[in-house]
Amino acid sequence: DTGVSQDPRHKITKRGQNVTFRCDPISEHNRLYWYRQTLGQGPEFLTYFQNEAQLEKSRLLSDRFSAERPKGSFSTLEIQRTEQGDSAMYLCASSLDRAQETQYFGPGTRLLVL
Amino acid sequence: KNEVEQSPQNLTAQEEEFITINCSYSVGISALHWLQQHPGGGIVSLFMLSSGKKKHGRLIATINIQEKHSSLHITASHPRDSAVYICAVSSADTDKLIFGTGTRLQVFP
Repeated sequence: DTGVSQDPRHKITKRGQNVTFRCDPISEHNRLYWYRQTLGQGPEFLTYFQNEAQLEKSRLLSDRFSAERPKGSFSTLEIQRTEQGDSAMYLCASSLDRAQETQYFGPGTRLLVL
Repeated sequence: KNEVEQSPQNLTAQEEEFITINCSYSVGISALHWLQQHPGGGIVSLFMLSSGKKKHGRLIATINIQEKHSSLHITASHPRDSAVYICAVSSADTDKLIFGTGTRLQVFP
């Protein structure tokens, strides 16, 4: 297993466009997390899946953001009508479905909205 | 006030120096994590601890649950230790991580 992968690694888009990011977790991991990190800051929680169920969403996740994990494996994060403030690194992490499990991070998708 | 506070924000050291990074938190947690982030974004988990002390190579992490405080120590620091070190706590309910802002460490030869 090669760990958590994310695609694309970089995305440049114009304001108002829609973008979609994909995360492939480690295969046996039930839990999948999305985080966002802006320059010079620590990551912030966006949303969390246990299998295909989205169990928690941050208030940071406005109605322009939607995340899915349809078959409990890979997940997608879509941002509609992007704004310059959406520019950030979007990180995905996965873990086993047990308390106090290590989260394994993907390399991130760096988004720049012009 | 942030739920997870780290200090210092920036740290420079000479090779071989002993380094300490501190983390305080104000929420109920199930575990505390120390993470390392290199330029380019990749985050690697160094430690996860809920009590006591853990050691891995030149890295040592301690936690005091009563005082809600943790420290990360690096012994005999090396330029390859240069990175951002992030403290994060797992919330008591969902295990989502709440992150500190990170400590940028630069070790010079």
